[in-house]
Amino acid sequence: AQSVTQLDSHVSVSEGTPVLLRCNYSSSYSPSLFWYVQHPNKGLQLLLKYTSAATLVKGINGFEAEFKKSETSFHLTKPSAHMSDAAEYFCVVSVATGGFKTIFGAGTRLFVKA
Amino acid sequence: DAGVIQSPRHEVTEMGQEVTLRCKPISGHNSLFWYRQTMMRGLELLIYFNNNVPIDDSGMPEDRFSAKMPNASFSTLKIQPSEPRDSAVYFCASGSGNTIYFGEGSWLTVV
Repeated sequence: AQSVTQLDSHVSVSEGTPVLLRCNYSSSYSPSLFWYVQHPNKGLQLLLKYTSAATLVKGINGFEAEFKKSETSFHLTKPSAHMSDAAEYFCVVSVATGGFKTIFGAGTRLFVKA
Repeated sequence: DAGVIQSPRHEVTEMGQEVTLRCKPISGHNSLFWYRQTMMRGLELLIYFNNNVPIDDSGMPEDRFSAKMPNASFSTLKIQPSEPRDSAVYFCASGSGNTIYFGEGSWLTVV
């Protein structure tokens, strides 16, 4: 079975400080992992994805995530937060099981203080 | 590429009316998804098509909801009759391989 747990429902940081959004997953198969961002009143935009190549994945807007199999984690980071990063972030696991099954985490709301 | 295109972007309708939401997936994608997002329940998968064939409709709430994909470039999600509890944002997404790309959503309000 597959599952995704985003460990924080809300994260608040000051502008210019690092961002860490935590995600743990569980999968019986080799998973593909994704992070999506949703700004208010917008759709979900793909930030980055891991598909069994390099374990450190770079995405758009300065975000990156590291796949750690031993910890079953795929945490999202950014060295310096910007006000425009305030949004909801979703961690996603996808496995191919004769079709493909995609599981979304519950989301983490990121607040950025000036 | 224009991305996934949904229409209407916003719809306000009265209870009991039929609502049809439309989606044009990204050209070349062979998977299409309909999701519903609400504050209370978050993001829910309603139905998933692969090569125009419904593969998993276990998330469709009840018989009032139906979805079709008559060809590779068009899908509809219909609610008949609509109820206030159907008020939500409905997202269409299309996929190639295992990566999903979302549309901007259709904001539905049933009064």
